Amino acid sequence: AQSVTQPDIHITVSEGASLELRCNYSYGATPYLFWYVQSPGQGLQLLLKYFSGDTLVQGIKGFEAEFKRSQSSFNLRKPSVHWSDAAEYFCAVGGRGGNKLVFGAGTILRVKS
Amino acid sequence: DAGVIQSPRHEVTEMGQEVTLRCKPISGHNSLFWYRQTMMRGLELLIYFNNNVPIDDSGMPEDRFSAKMPNASFSTLKIQPSEPRDSAVYFCASSFLEDTQYFGPGTRLTVL
Repeated sequence: AQSVTQPDIHITVSEGASLELRCNYSYGATPYLFWYVQSPGQGLQLLLKYFSGDTLVQGIKGFEAEFKRSQSSFNLRKPSVHWSDAAEYFCAVGGRGGNKLVFGAGTILRVKS
Repeated sequence: DAGVIQSPRHEVTEMGQEVTLRCKPISGHNSLFWYRQTMMRGLELLIYFNNNVPIDDSGMPEDRFSAKMPNASFSTLKIQPSEPRDSAVYFCASSFLEDTQYFGPGTRLTVL
């Protein structure tokens, strides 16, 4: 069965510091991987996705993620965090085209000034 | 372009009442998904449609829940009768040819 693990429930970083949010997945076939961000009271916004090809994926708002098949990981990174990045981040895995997404539990990012 | 539209944004009802949540997918998208988000269970897929046909409803919690998609631009999720444990945020998402899912703003349901 497919599953996603986000080991960190909360992360606090200083503004301007680098960020890495961890995501490990379990999927029996070629995974389609996504990172979404959710601000309080809002819906989910797609940050980036990986379907195939280059394993380093660039997304919006300066985020990137690297797919590592050997580690079953798809970690999200940002070199310099801004206060507006404070939100909850969800990693998700799905099948062909990304249907039937399974989401991780989410990581809440706090940014301190 | 308009994104996924959901209504109402907030719904407060009493136990036993019927609740209907509505969703208008992005024009041209042919897949539609209903999710539920709770603190305890996170984001769960309830049901998804492809070309207006329900493909997988294995996530629907019980018979009190039903979903319809009468045409490509409208879907409903109905709970009858509602119970306090149904309180959650319900999201609708749509995609084109099973590509990236785009989410609506959600409906926050409170059942008293």
